[in-house]
Amino acid sequence: EAQVTQNPRYLITVTGKKLTVTCSQNMNHEYMSWYRQDPGLGLRQIYYSMNVEVTDKGDVPEGYKVSRKEKRNFPLILESPSPNQTSLYFCASSSPGTGRTDTQYFGPGTRLTVL
Amino acid sequence: AQTVTQSQPEMSVQEAETVTLSCTYDTSESDYYLFWYKQPPSRQMILVIRQEAYKQQNATENRFSVNFQKAAKSFSLKISDSQLGDAAMYFCAYVGGGADGLTFGKGTHLIIQP
Repeated sequence: EAQVTQNPRYLITVTGKKLTVTCSQNMNHEYMSWYRQDPGLGLRQIYYSMNVEVTDKGDVPEGYKVSRKEKRNFPLILESPSPNQTSLYFCASSSPGTGRTDTQYFGPGTRLTVL
Repeated sequence: AQTVTQSQPEMSVQEAETVTLSCTYDTSESDYYLFWYKQPPSRQMILVIRQEAYKQQNATENRFSVNFQKAAKSFSLKISDSQLGDAAMYFCAYVGGGADGLTFGKGTHLIIQP
């Protein structure tokens, strides 16, 4: 089954404790992206990757890191989480046409709470 | 920067009736895609329908159809024969010609009355 998976689905942590949220897709998509969803703000892009070893900042990148060492995986790293990073996080992937993004398929989401 | 506006925070419709959700967007690009995503209580983001800006014909997917007015920068979603399972948050989204991600509206909460 074609899908985007994220782990963990739920995480409660404390301020300053480094964490990684994994994202994997089995559709051979070049483009992958991370979003955060907050009440009243919709979804906002954190980072994206056009292909292996190619990453770039989205609208709200502060406090996050990403890496793209393999085509299928795009982990999101919070080196020193803070309470304002409490949010619902989505990973998405798409197969871009002619160098642009196209329909994005979303993972199930990761609910992160930072105390 | 592109913006997407959903002016209806909440809509309510009787089961089996038709409802239209509004979306407007602002862009200077001529080539782009527009989407409607559904987010049920499970929080999964589910693609409902997609429209390519260069296509004149409005997209349809079973009970879901759009009214795409490019000059007016309007992209409304019509749900016919509403069902209880249609109850969800609906997000309108835009993606342009570059590598940027989706720009989302703030969502419309759709309530289906039995």
